Formats: sequence, C-alpha cells, structure tokens
Amino acid sequence: SAVISQKPSRDICQRGTSLTIQCQVDSQVTMMFWYRQQPGQSLTLIATANQGSEATYESGFVIDKFPISRPNLTFSTLTVSNMSPEDSSIYLCSVGRVEETQYFGPGTRLLVL
Amino acid sequence: AQKVTQAQTEISVVEKEDVTLDCVYETRDTTYYLFWYKQPPSGELVFLIRRNSFDEQNEISGRYSWNFQKSTSSFNFTITASQVVDSAVYFCALRKRRRGSEKLVFGKGTKLTVNP
Repeated sequence: SAVISQKPSRDICQRGTSLTIQCQVDSQVTMMFWYRQQPGQSLTLIATANQGSEATYESGFVIDKFPISRPNLTFSTLTVSNMSPEDSSIYLCSVGRVEETQYFGPGTRLLVL
Repeated sequence: AQKVTQAQTEISVVEKEDVTLDCVYETRDTTYYLFWYKQPPSGELVFLIRRNSFDEQNEISGRYSWNFQKSTSSFNFTITASQVVDSAVYFCALRKRRRGSEKLVFGKGTKLTVNP
C-alpha cells in the first residue's frame, strides 16, 4: 500500500476564510479521492481527482466551494472556501489504482469558528 | 442505488469477549467489492479487508474473521478474544466492480469499545 501524508493535520479557522489541504503520496497513483467526515458521521465522497483532467464532483458538492488541483500523479490539494461552522469535519484523501483497494491518508481535522 | 447498513451504532464488550459487527448491503450490480475499514481515535482509516462479490469464502486473519453471505447480502466481521486496542469505529463499505465507478459507499459505522 502507498504511504499517504496530509497537511495540515488539523486547523482552526475563522468563518469566511479558506483552507487548502495537501495530500502527498509516495508513489504514482492514477486516482485520488477526497472524502468528508462530519462529526460522528460516516464518510462521504466529495470528488475524484485524476491527473490531467478536471475533478469529478459528487452530488451536493461544487467546484466553487471545494476547488481541487491534481498537478501530478503524487499530489493533490483540496480547498475549502468561504468556510462556515458546518464545514467543520475531518477531510481525508484516499488513493487507489483502477479496480484496486483505496488507502486513506491520516486526515485533516478542521474546526471552523 | 447502493446502500450499506450497519445497524449497531455502538457496542461495548469486556476484553477477551468475542464480538461480531454486522453489515448488510444493497446493490443492483452483480459484481462489486466489499470492504471493512477501522478508524481508531486518532482518525486515520485503516484498511482491513476487501472481498469480491464472486468469492464467498470466509476469511480469517489472526483474531479477525469475515463471513460473506451473498444470499443474505451480509458481510459480517468477528473479532475473537477482543483487546483494548480493538476499540475503534469500524466501517463497512461497498463499491461497484466497474471501471470509472471507484466511489466507496460507507455504512454509518459501528463504534466498538473494549473495556479492560
């Protein structure tokens, strides 16, 4: 399995600001995914980020709120824009090759005041 | 639509007890993958097992075992002789076995507390 790191590990932000979360993998992977886990809840897929193409967003998530970059096969960023307290969550990136298991990063714990 | 149901929200056991976590899924696809992940208090999601829909053999890995029954759409997870380190939230997940359909659909999770 790949070694995945995320920065920051946690942050406290003021409403109305934006935060960019980085996800770095130690090997090249085709597919990267961003999930959100609201407090006490399950994981929900925000978007799939493939290198060289626009991210594909799930229903309920839009690019203006969660812009994603995927500049190469080992790195991706997720920005949470114009934050509100409802954005307080754990944000996890995961990686996987087609037809293979997804492995998750350690997550970014975000608290919006 | 795909759906995963983990009816047990929280389970509390005493160390060395056996515990079974239930997972029931719904899908219209004939081929799919099932997964179990563990999320300890630190928050990371740890992969435990993946099962293909065409492989109904049960699996054992140390103290962990999984019982996949396609007839009842269930993929249950048993921990034998539980330990305090097993305390975590456990998620069951489902994914289509089709290119371009990599999205994992998660259940709501079962929080397991193992008391010394």
